Amino acid sequence: AQSVTQLGSHVSVSEGALVLLRCNYSSSVPPYLFWYVQYPNQGLQLLLKYTSAATLVKGINGFEAEFKKSETSFHLTKPSAHMSDAAEYFCAVSGKAAGNKLTFGGGTRVLVKP
Amino acid sequence: EPEVTQTPSHQVTQMGQEVILRCVPISNHLYFYWYRQILGQKVEFLVSFYNNEISEKSEIFDDQFSVERPDGSNFTLKIRSTKLEDSAMYFCASREGSQGLQPQHFGDGTRLSIL
Repeated sequence: AQSVTQLGSHVSVSEGALVLLRCNYSSSVPPYLFWYVQYPNQGLQLLLKYTSAATLVKGINGFEAEFKKSETSFHLTKPSAHMSDAAEYFCAVSGKAAGNKLTFGGGTRVLVKP
Repeated sequence: EPEVTQTPSHQVTQMGQEVILRCVPISNHLYFYWYRQILGQKVEFLVSFYNNEISEKSEIFDDQFSVERPDGSNFTLKIRSTKLEDSAMYFCASREGSQGLQPQHFGDGTRLSIL
């Protein structure tokens, strides 16, 4: 069975500061890992994905994430927060079969202070 | 860019009534999913659908739930007799197929409120 844990349900950062969102996963097989973002009243938008090609993955809006197998982690970072980054962020894991479901973490809501 | 569309955006229904949530997946996608998010909780998998049949379903997806692809474009979730605890945001997703690395694309969701 797969599971995802996101540490911190809420994170507050100042504009221009580093954003760090933590994600740890549990999987019996090498997983695919995803970060999704949800803006208010919108659906889930893919930020980036890890599919074993490279451990450092770059996504949209300046976000990146690093896969660390030894730590079973896939933390999301952005060097400099922008007001538009205020949203909820979800880490998710799936197996490699085409029809495999996503298993989500609990989400982290990011507040950006001016 | 193609997107998944869901209707309605908000559905209010009396307890015990049937409700149908509608989704139009991206046109060349082959795998379809429903997820739900109860307020303040995780996004939870309900069911996946491929080649006109359910490929996987969760414990939540009991006999009150059904899915259908009635034509070449729509993908529906029916709740036969709604309960208060069915109140949630329901998300439809689709995936192009064949490889797990292809991401799922989500609609904006339907907020279902059971009174």
